[in-house]
Amino acid sequence: QKEVEQNSGPLSVPEGAIASLNCTYSDRGSQSFFWYRQYSGKSPELIMFIYSNGDKEDGRFTAQLNKASQYVSLLIRDSQPSDSATYLCAVNIPQAGTALIFGKGTTLSVSS
Amino acid sequence: DAGVIQSPRHEVTEMGQEVTLRCKPISGHDYLFWYRQTMMRGLELLIYFNNNVPIDDSGMPEDRFSAKMPNASFSTLKIQPSEPRDSAVYFCASSSYQTRDTEAFFGQGTRLTVV
Repeated sequence: QKEVEQNSGPLSVPEGAIASLNCTYSDRGSQSFFWYRQYSGKSPELIMFIYSNGDKEDGRFTAQLNKASQYVSLLIRDSQPSDSATYLCAVNIPQAGTALIFGKGTTLSVSS
Repeated sequence: DAGVIQSPRHEVTEMGQEVTLRCKPISGHDYLFWYRQTMMRGLELLIYFNNNVPIDDSGMPEDRFSAKMPNASFSTLKIQPSEPRDSAVYFCASSSYQTRDTEAFFGQGTRLTVV
């Protein structure tokens, strides 16, 4: 049974702080990892992807991957109220093309 | 491109009725996915197609659910008969298998309510 686990939250941080979101996955064969953001009532949209161990930075966002620990994280620096949303971790299904399995998401609330 | 287009955006139906959800993927994409999202279960993969061929339907919850992709620009998800527990947001997504980094683009979703 392939699984992606996330802490549902809510995770509350003050404006300007660093938000840290975590995700673990069960299938060691997975090679690609994605973070999607979903605002209430909207569809998921891609923030970042990562497939190599280590860190990947894009603006205020940093994705971290540790395949040995089967662990993926997303750091959001200088958090803004507009970052308040649900963040979904997604992992590719091996031998399934681009099919993804999603975690249930972590709800982030940034207070001004 | 207008993105992935789903219709209808909202559907309210009575238990026992047939429901058909529609999806138009992004032109040129060769993968199409149907997901269902609920508070309890999150975003679940129901079925996906590659080049119009169903590849894996193991996520389809029951035989009441069926999906087709008659051509590269159209797919349907049908529920017959519908039940209240089918109430959820159904998303269609598409992608292009060029690199392992490729993202899935989601439609706006269809919010289904079965009463």
